[in-house]
Amino acid sequence: IAGITQAPTSQILAAGRRMTLRCTQDMRHNAMYWYRQDLGLGLRLIHYSNTAGTTGKGEVPDGYSVSRANTDDFPLTLASAVPSQTSVYFCASSVGTGGYNEQFFGPGTRLTVL
Amino acid sequence: EDQVTQSPEALRLQEGESSSLNCSYTVSGLRGLFWYRQDPGKGPEFLFTLYSAGEEKEKERLKATLTKKESFLHITAPKPEDSATYLCAVQASFWGKLQFGAGTQVVVTP
Repeated sequence: IAGITQAPTSQILAAGRRMTLRCTQDMRHNAMYWYRQDLGLGLRLIHYSNTAGTTGKGEVPDGYSVSRANTDDFPLTLASAVPSQTSVYFCASSVGTGGYNEQFFGPGTRLTVL
Repeated sequence: EDQVTQSPEALRLQEGESSSLNCSYTVSGLRGLFWYRQDPGKGPEFLFTLYSAGEEKEKERLKATLTKKESFLHITAPKPEDSATYLCAVQASFWGKLQFGAGTQVVVTP
């Protein structure tokens, strides 16, 4: 593994179903992030984690939850999917959160909720 | 509230036709401005970080500059492989949250 991997690549989901998007990084970065990207709206932060064991809410957290049990993994869970959660989801990581930290992105998960 | 606005939304260039993309921002205390390139169906790829007004950075045909209110990404003599969406983001707070603009889609035709 090199960088950030996300799974699945794409998914079609029935409304009301539970879904977990997976994200793994092998760069030993402390901070990880989840974004959603919608046409015309750009990337919006859903949740973040400064370090293993801690998480925080971003700009659009409703309907999503995250956990950070270890440094490498940062799964995003939709407890009961709704059509407005149709989007492309990107996981990102950075060395830390203080100071100047470039974020590096995974390849994305395209999610369609019907 | 922090805001990032990119213009134009889309740009069509002939190969070799230089141009500039704009990223204007309103933040309380800029800690860094980031440029990313995004190809269709892929995640954003980091290009540059600019920290203070007057700073410039270059990479191949791309040059990024920063003032107190905006940043420009200059594309010199573009090639078709420069076709992508270019994203600008600002970091205003210490802990690293990025505020992204909506992007400029660049198409370079032979």
